[in-house]
Amino acid sequence: NAGVMQNPRHLVRRRGQEARLRCSPMKGHSHVYWYRQLPEEGLKFMVYLQKENIIDESGMPKERFSAEFPKEGPSILRIQQVVRGDSAAYFCASSPPGREQYFGPGTRLTVT
Amino acid sequence: AQSVTQLGSHVSVSEGALVLLRCNYSSSVPPYLFWYVQYPNQGLQLLLKYTTGATLVKGINGFEAEFKKSETSFHLTKPSAHMSDAAEYFCAVSNPDTGNQFYFGTGTSLTVIP
Repeated sequence: NAGVMQNPRHLVRRRGQEARLRCSPMKGHSHVYWYRQLPEEGLKFMVYLQKENIIDESGMPKERFSAEFPKEGPSILRIQQVVRGDSAAYFCASSPPGREQYFGPGTRLTVT
Repeated sequence: AQSVTQLGSHVSVSEGALVLLRCNYSSSVPPYLFWYVQYPNQGLQLLLKYTTGATLVKGINGFEAEFKKSETSFHLTKPSAHMSDAAEYFCAVSNPDTGNQFYFGTGTSLTVIP
């Protein structure tokens, strides 16, 4: 059983471009979470999704950030018009209902 | 509401010494508790978890943690530190009744001194 997959592992974008981060959950997992980790800081919850539904987006910035988890395909975290402050590691985790979360290796976004 | 506090953002121990990483939580209901480890430039790996039953939980790599309800704590210990234990450690809490939302502490960076 493959683990949580994230791609790309490293992403470089210029200010103003769009960043798309992908997450494929473990087989059988219907819950996906996105976290952001800034340098020297802990994990900050961003959004919790189930298939085709956003359950909790209380950690998402109000502008430029969006997430989806379609019926088919990976979950996507989309950042529009990136700024330098968006540079961080973005982690995806998945879980079956009511169980522990399994993390992907992360996508390291660098905004130049 | 739930939250996690990890006391000590940086902990240093000598190789072979006891490792103690502290975690206190707040929760209005019996929580699920977790410890994760993150090695440099990697994702988080589950070390151990407490859901129900025995309050002393054993995990991978010789780590264990004890759930103490009276102290609202879930401290992580290892009798003898190894150089390979150097990493970032995160405590997390979830409420099994309200969904899968996890609340993470800010992490503790463990340094092992040879």
